[in-house]
Amino acid sequence: AQSVAQPEDQVNVAEGNPLTVKCTYSVSGNPYLFWYVQYPNRGLQFLLKYITGDNLVKGSYGFEAEFNKSQTSFHLKKPSALVSDSALYFCAVRDTGNFNKFYFGSGTKLNVKP
Amino acid sequence: EPEVTQTPSHQVTQMGQEVILRCVPISNHLYFYWYRQILGQKVEFLVSFYNNEISEKSEIFDDQFSVERPDGSNFTLKIRSTKLEDSAMYFCASSVKINTEAFFGQGTRLTVV
Repeated sequence: AQSVAQPEDQVNVAEGNPLTVKCTYSVSGNPYLFWYVQYPNRGLQFLLKYITGDNLVKGSYGFEAEFNKSQTSFHLKKPSALVSDSALYFCAVRDTGNFNKFYFGSGTKLNVKP
Repeated sequence: EPEVTQTPSHQVTQMGQEVILRCVPISNHLYFYWYRQILGQKVEFLVSFYNNEISEKSEIFDDQFSVERPDGSNFTLKIRSTKLEDSAMYFCASSVKINTEAFFGQGTRLTVV
């Protein structure tokens, strides 16, 4: 069965430090992987995606993510966190066996402290 | 930048009443979706829609739910007889192709009392 796991409910990091938000997935076909961010009272904003090609993908606001097929992971990273990065982050996967829907992780709350 | 817009932002309704949640997808997109997020839970797939018909629906999307694209720009979700457990944030989304990222609206918070 297709699924996405975000093992951390919350990640705390100091401003200026690197951040990582973890995501692992399970799909029957090849994965199309996505990260979305949700600010309070806002919808889900697309950050970046991995479809094929280079395992390191770059997205909006300085975020990047690394696809690791052997570990079935797609961790979100940023070299230097900003207080304004504080939000809820969702990992999602689309299965090439069935593109009709995204499977979302449970979300990770990122807190960046000044 | 084009965006998906949803109205209303918040809807309060009495149990048993019908509600219609409205969405205007991005204009050149062809694939449309509804998702929901019950407070504190995951974002769940409800239904996908393409070429004026449902392409897939989840087990949540029972006979009480329906979707429609009435005029080529709006995409609506109707819940015929709301239940308390329908209280959630409902997100509309659209994508230009089936395998690309979807763009989500800001959501409609539905509260059933």
